[in-house]
Amino acid sequence: DTAVSQTPKYLVTQMGNDKSIKCEQNLGHDTMYWYKQDSKKFLKIMFSYNNKELIINETVPNRFSPKSPDKAHLNLHINSLELGDSAVYFCASSQELLKNTEAFFGQGTRLTVV
Amino acid sequence: AQSVAQPEDQVNVAEGNPLTVKCTYSVSGNPYLFWYVQYPNRGLQFLLKYITGDNLVKGSYGFEAEFNKSQTSFHLKKPSALVSDSALYFCAVSLPRRALTFGSGTRLQVQP
Repeated sequence: DTAVSQTPKYLVTQMGNDKSIKCEQNLGHDTMYWYKQDSKKFLKIMFSYNNKELIINETVPNRFSPKSPDKAHLNLHINSLELGDSAVYFCASSQELLKNTEAFFGQGTRLTVV
Repeated sequence: AQSVAQPEDQVNVAEGNPLTVKCTYSVSGNPYLFWYVQYPNRGLQFLLKYITGDNLVKGSYGFEAEFNKSQTSFHLKKPSALVSDSALYFCAVSLPRRALTFGSGTRLQVQP
């Protein structure tokens, strides 16, 4: 049973394209996140949703747009991809942000922009 | 603001020896502290957390961490390292209603 699943696992695309990464969690959690891990393995929060409501939006270019159709899904759409967007993107979920319970992470999507 | 520092990029230890991976934090308030492990091409796996209570926290795979408020540290420890412990370890901190802020990661290499 996969708790947090992301698709695709690998994504290679050209500059200027638009792409989406999907994330689903079957843990019944209220809160979901997108993190970006750069080539130096540094992890940074991008977005957080709680019950489909955006609650955290770090300094991320507006080319990145998260969408949460329901609390089990948080998709990430990226417009006009740039070389600097190449990274591993991790989706995560936690029971409730207010209680700061631990987050469960997906396996990541390795995005390569060429 | 909240931040985490992991001063060592890499820690090398012989199998069977004790290991320590260091973490210090900076927050304005009472922190929630976490350790995660990342194996190659995998997502992060939760190891342990400190929210409140006993300063010594025990977690998965025999790991433990000690919260030291005066030194603002939360070092990860294990009494006897295994080769299979070799991975990338992340310390993280958060405040209520804030997402995790991660350290830069420490690569643990356990030699047979």
